[in-house]
Amino acid sequence: GIQVEQSPPDLILQEGANSTLRCNFSDSVNNLQWFHQNPWGQLINLFYIPSGTKQNGRLSATTVATERYSLLYISSSQTTDSGVYFCAGNAGGTSYGKLTFGQGTILTVHP
Amino acid sequence: GAGVSQSPRYKVAKRGQDVALRCDPISGHVSLFWYQQALGQGPEFLTYFQNEAQLDKSGLPSDRFFAERPEGSVSTLKIQRTQQEDSAVYLCASSPSEKLFFGSGTQLSVL
Repeated sequence: GIQVEQSPPDLILQEGANSTLRCNFSDSVNNLQWFHQNPWGQLINLFYIPSGTKQNGRLSATTVATERYSLLYISSSQTTDSGVYFCAGNAGGTSYGKLTFGQGTILTVHP
Repeated sequence: GAGVSQSPRYKVAKRGQDVALRCDPISGHVSLFWYQQALGQGPEFLTYFQNEAQLDKSGLPSDRFFAERPEGSVSTLKIQRTQQEDSAVYLCASSPSEKLFFGSGTQLSVL
């Protein structure tokens, strides 16, 4: 199966700072998605982004499918952004929802 | 509208007991997925339903794990003769197309 590598594993920010999270895939992926898992365990779908760039408020994401990576940008971070960020995708030929997740980036935003 | 609902939120079982975990997907979502998340790890795929048909169960770790969705809506994940290594958070997701929407999960602790 595909391997998903996320970096950095941990990130500590002061409120108001910007950050970039990266996700590398070992092979071509379909159905690439970014999720935020809040401190209560809820996984929130941030983006479905198999290619290109999308923006949603202070968050944006870019996927370069030909180079097998995706980036998540967080601008003007807030304490509520804290939690774990996961990227996930599925390999071609598998069920579209059979996602392989990375290990996550743990983000802590201090006031 | 309501999101994906899972119950119970927490379950403590003695080793050897059978457990049943329930998932109520978002109304109208055809696809339903179960994932297992160990502490500090990303979720791992267990099984996938399209309506009442179980199309992929390749992630179920043993024949003690069984999932059903008899009427194409509510799904139940059953674990027979629970073992300590079954302790994890069990996440359910539903999807209308490509994006997955997760519930809050059931945290299972096997003592």
